[in-house]
Amino acid sequence: EVQLVESGGGLVQPGGSLSLSCAASGFTFSNYWMTWVRQAPGKGLEWVAHINQDGSKSNSVGSVKGRFTISRDNAKNSLYLQMNNLRVEDTAVYFCSRSNYDGFGWFAPWGQGTLVTVSS
Amino acid sequence: SYELTQPPSVSVSPGQTARIPCSGDALPKQYAYWYQQKPGQAPVVVIYKDTERPSGIPERFSGSSSGTTVTLTISGVQAEDEADYYCQSADSSGSYRDVVFGGGTKLTVL
Repeated sequence: EVQLVESGGGLVQPGGSLSLSCAASGFTFSNYWMTWVRQAPGKGLEWVAHINQDGSKSNSVGSVKGRFTISRDNAKNSLYLQMNNLRVEDTAVYFCSRSNYDGFGWFAPWGQGTLVTVSS
Repeated sequence: SYELTQPPSVSVSPGQTARIPCSGDALPKQYAYWYQQKPGQAPVVVIYKDTERPSGIPERFSGSSSGTTVTLTISGVQAEDEADYYCQSADSSGSYRDVVFGGGTKLTVL
């Protein structure tokens, strides 16, 4: 069974840092682009960042550039999101997902999400 | 920045047809994808590459494309289809494309 499990969410103060992880299983992780998507409470989906199969290419939405870094470890079948200088508006459920077709394909499956709350 | 535009809400009675449009200037050049999200759950793809339906998705879900608008059609809507629906595509401009989601449409089954 293809499965993605996020971890690392929690409560952090503005300006703080947090590192999210996503453990993948049931498929050849190194063959796929991977992505992070977030959803603020009561709001819509927002693409955050994606990374290619060997980690040599990545991109992120403008609002997180310079603060968030996406990375992966294919030996550990894991995807990461390092979040620095967090802002209140970064509060959201963060989902990891597999990107099919290419980095701009459809996302499936999705993890269950991990909640990040940025508050003083 | 590039945007995909969806109506905030659509309401239909059971058995009727629901149509949810998504408009964006780059849609003639980029594939569109559709997701269904129910409260407290992760999104699930219901249409990929504009018109393709994944295995396990009911046949009543279909996608179409015309110019700068793609449309998700749900024929014979059932109560279980009540959910939020999001379109997704990519910005074809700039030196590197961004992934973009529409704002989402809440489908209410009356």
